[in-house]
Amino acid sequence: SQQGEEDPQALSIQEGENATMNCSYKTSINNLQWYRQNSGRGLVHLILIRSNEREKHSGRLRVTLDTSKKSSSLLITASRAADTASYFCATDEAGANSKLTFGKGITLSVRP
Amino acid sequence: GAVVSQHPSRVICKSGTSVKIECRSLDFQATTMFWYRQFPKQSLMLMATSNEGSKATYEQGVEKDKFLINHASLTLSTLTVTSAHPEDSSFYICSASGGLAGFNEQFFGPGTRLTVL
Repeated sequence: SQQGEEDPQALSIQEGENATMNCSYKTSINNLQWYRQNSGRGLVHLILIRSNEREKHSGRLRVTLDTSKKSSSLLITASRAADTASYFCATDEAGANSKLTFGKGITLSVRP
Repeated sequence: GAVVSQHPSRVICKSGTSVKIECRSLDFQATTMFWYRQFPKQSLMLMATSNEGSKATYEQGVEKDKFLINHASLTLSTLTVTSAHPEDSSFYICSASGGLAGFNEQFFGPGTRLTVL
């Protein structure tokens, strides 16, 4: 079964607006990570939030984690056209030897 | 720091041939490397985990005789797709962790686009 499930699957917003993406997972985790992938490229690590953390910030990014609901959200504030990409959450499952399980991804389009 | 490279970035081959993809950690010693496959508009699927000096651990459904993984040094892992077929066409991405880069985060290479004709 899919560990990380993001929603929405696709999001289109205007430049300057905020983008919120959600991720749900099924098992206990050590941490949850968000990645960005531009079309046809490798992954860029955005942020890692540990299972004992509830919120984390990095620049225009804000990530929350609710382990009771097994969900996380990624908020990108003041979006830019350059934020257009696919975003994936990935979970580092407890006891899984640092293996990451990726969600299906969200395609974000930011219109200039 | 924590840069991972892959070579080649793009390869086209004929059906039945073998293709080798290299994954290198450039500025840290990676005790663990991971190989993923990504089909168009889909997520990354872990194929195998390799630890330096030991045999790779393959995920369920991944044929170890078809996807040969060698992790001979702390900075290099190779994936060989043997007797490639068109259905093996995909984007192959490696990642590395360990050493000074730490074990919580995986650093990803830029990927290799394989097209099998």
